[in-house]
Amino acid sequence: SQQGEEDPQALSIQEGENATMNCSYKTSINNLQWYRQNSGRGLVHLILIRSNEREKHSGRLRVTLDTSKKSSSLLITASRAADTASYFCARGSNYKLTFGKGTLLTVNP
Amino acid sequence: GAVVSQHPSRVICKSGTSVKIECRSLDFQATTMFWYRQFPKQSLMLMATSNEGSKATYEQGVEKDKFLINHASLTLSTLTVTSAHPEDSSFYICSAKGLAGGYEQYFGPGTRLTVT
Repeated sequence: SQQGEEDPQALSIQEGENATMNCSYKTSINNLQWYRQNSGRGLVHLILIRSNEREKHSGRLRVTLDTSKKSSSLLITASRAADTASYFCARGSNYKLTFGKGTLLTVNP
Repeated sequence: GAVVSQHPSRVICKSGTSVKIECRSLDFQATTMFWYRQFPKQSLMLMATSNEGSKATYEQGVEKDKFLINHASLTLSTLTVTSAHPEDSSFYICSAKGLAGGYEQYFGPGTRLTVT
C-alpha cells in the first residue's frame, strides 16, 4: 500500500494533555500534510511540511518529518475538548494526496 | 478565503437512478479539483482528478462511465453517479487546488449519498 498509516488508530486523553499522532509512509514524497475531520464533515487543512523540512509549528501544532525513516508526527499541545476529531496524514506527490486511515482523537473535558 | 462548497449535503436516491453532486470554489479559481469517497471510519480514497476544460483522470479501479466528472469552469466541478446501486452509498468529498500552485487542497463539506 502506498497509503500513509497513522498510529495510533484511536487516542483518548484528558483536556490539557498533549496528543501525539504518528504517520508512516512507503514511497517518496515532496510534501506531507495533516488534515482534521470532524465527524461527517469535510477536511480542514492543518499544516504542510515539505520534504526538505524537518519541523514546522502552527499555534499549538508541531509537525516533524523524518524522511530517512519515512515518518512524521503531529503533536497537539494543551489539548482542548474542541480538538476531538479524526486526524489524517496525507502524502503529497505531484499535487495528489494519498491519505492514511487516520487517528481518532478524543479529548475528554 | 479558500472556501469550497458541495451540493447537496445529503441525497437519497433509488437504485438505478443517477445523482449529480456539485463542487464549487466560492472565493478562488480552481484549475484542479479532486473527488474522493470515504466509507465509514475509513480513509479518503481518491477517485479522480478533474482539470478545467479537459477530461478527468481516473484512479485505477474507478469506472469512468459510472462516475462522470465535468469541470466546465474554474469554479465548478460536478460528479454524476450513474445508475446508482446500494454499494455506491458513501460519503463523497471534493477538494480544490488553487491557481497559486500550492500543494494544499481545500475540501468541501462532503455529500452523503444513500442508494436504496
